[in-house]
Amino acid sequence: GENVEQHPSTLSVQEGDSAVIKCTYSDSASNYFPWYKQELGKRPQLIIDIRSNVGEKKDQRIAVTLNKTAKHFSLHITETQPEDSAVYFCAASEGTYKYIFGTGTRLKVLA
Amino acid sequence: DAGVIQSPRHEVTEMGQEVTLRCKPISGHDYLFWYRQTMMRGLELLIYFNNNVPIDDSGMPEDRFSAKMPNASFSTLKIQPSEPRDSAVYFCASSFAGTGNEQFFGPGTRLTVL
Repeated sequence: GENVEQHPSTLSVQEGDSAVIKCTYSDSASNYFPWYKQELGKRPQLIIDIRSNVGEKKDQRIAVTLNKTAKHFSLHITETQPEDSAVYFCAASEGTYKYIFGTGTRLKVLA
Repeated sequence: DAGVIQSPRHEVTEMGQEVTLRCKPISGHDYLFWYRQTMMRGLELLIYFNNNVPIDDSGMPEDRFSAKMPNASFSTLKIQPSEPRDSAVYFCASSFAGTGNEQFFGPGTRLTVL
C-alpha cells in the first residue's frame, strides 16, 4: 500500500519569509495529492490539491509542486503571516477515494 | 449546509465501557470516512463507506472497533470495550465522487479513556 513521508516535522520562519514542506510517496499509481491545514483544536481543511497530470498549481500565496518521477511533492507558502501558523498535512491517494496522510508539519510563523 | 456533524464533541469514559461516536455526513455525499488522530500516529484512516457499504476496514485496529452506516445520513463508530490507548480525536469526513476527491472533515470527537 501507499506510504507517505513528510518533512520537516516542525518549521519556524520569520513573518514574511517563505516556508517549504516536502512529502514523498511510494505508490506510483497515486494520482491525487491534497494538502490540509489544521489549526489548533480545529478540523483539517483542504487548502490546495494537485493531480498527477499537473506539475504545479498556485493559489495566491500557496503553491504545490509535483515531481512524479521522483515521487515527491511540496507545499510552498510565500510571505508567511502569523495566521499561517498551524499543522499542515500532505496526503496521497490510494485507489480513487482513499487518502494516506503524512505525519504533519507544525509551522510557526514568528512575528 | 451545516457541514459534517459529529457527536459528542468530547467523551470521557472509563476503561471497559462502550463508546459510540456519531457522524452525519454532508447531504448528498456518497463517501464517508472515519479517522483517528494521535500525536504518535498522526491521521489514520480506520474505515470508509461508499453508498453506505463498507469498502475498506483495513485500518480498524482490532475487533473492539466496529462501524456501521445504516443510511446515507448517519454513521457510528463503536469501541467495546474501550481502553486507555484508544484516547484520541476521532474525525469523520465525507466526500462526493461527482465533484472530485475533496474530503470534508467534521469537528471531531475528543475521546479520553481513563
